[in-house]
Amino acid sequence: SQQGEEDPQALSIQEGENATMNCSYKTSINNLQWYRQNSGRGLVHLILIRSNEREKHSGRLRVTLDTSKKSSSLLITASRAADTASYFCATDAGFQKLVFGTGTRLLVSP
Amino acid sequence: DTEVTQTPKHLVMGMTNKKSLKCEQHMGHRAMYWYKQKAKKPPELMFVYSYEKLSINESVPSRFSPECPNSSLLNLHLHALQPEDSALYLCASSQEFGDYEQYFGPGTRLTVT
Repeated sequence: SQQGEEDPQALSIQEGENATMNCSYKTSINNLQWYRQNSGRGLVHLILIRSNEREKHSGRLRVTLDTSKKSSSLLITASRAADTASYFCATDAGFQKLVFGTGTRLLVSP
Repeated sequence: DTEVTQTPKHLVMGMTNKKSLKCEQHMGHRAMYWYKQKAKKPPELMFVYSYEKLSINESVPSRFSPECPNSSLLNLHLHALQPEDSALYLCASSQEFGDYEQYFGPGTRLTVT
């Protein structure tokens, strides 16, 4: 399977703390994307990072990509209760489809 | 308008029923997708339409039949489903396929009885 793996599977933190989740994948990619999903709802795109990029920022989000290790990380700084959701990485390996990772469930407690 | 809409939000159907899921976007996107998501699992791609033509069918059983009547609409026709087909069905669109993010609808929660 091309599916990426994310760790941790679940993460529980307090408001104000930082949350880091990691994604590993198996094949060469064109880009890697991160999505957020609130319980039982549609996914929301967070960041797209291309294979020739190493780091990208968007507000409180920071994404890194290491193509030599086939891994990426998503850092959420100063977490809020509203960040509680599942987070998925998704890789575009050039086959006209995204393959989603297994996901990290983040719980941010007030 | 950056919204993808899906109807219905919830659907309960028997194994002998025929029903359809509908997806609509007005962003001028030329790629549209159907995903299936089981509880606590990632979305799994079912179909990709590119410029209104079926581009990818991920070996989906024929009881699922996609249709793209025009560039804004995507349907998924359901017939003779099994209980294991119960899942959240997500529609998404992107400008084209490639270096573009996908916009997801809220999904249809399908229960097959």
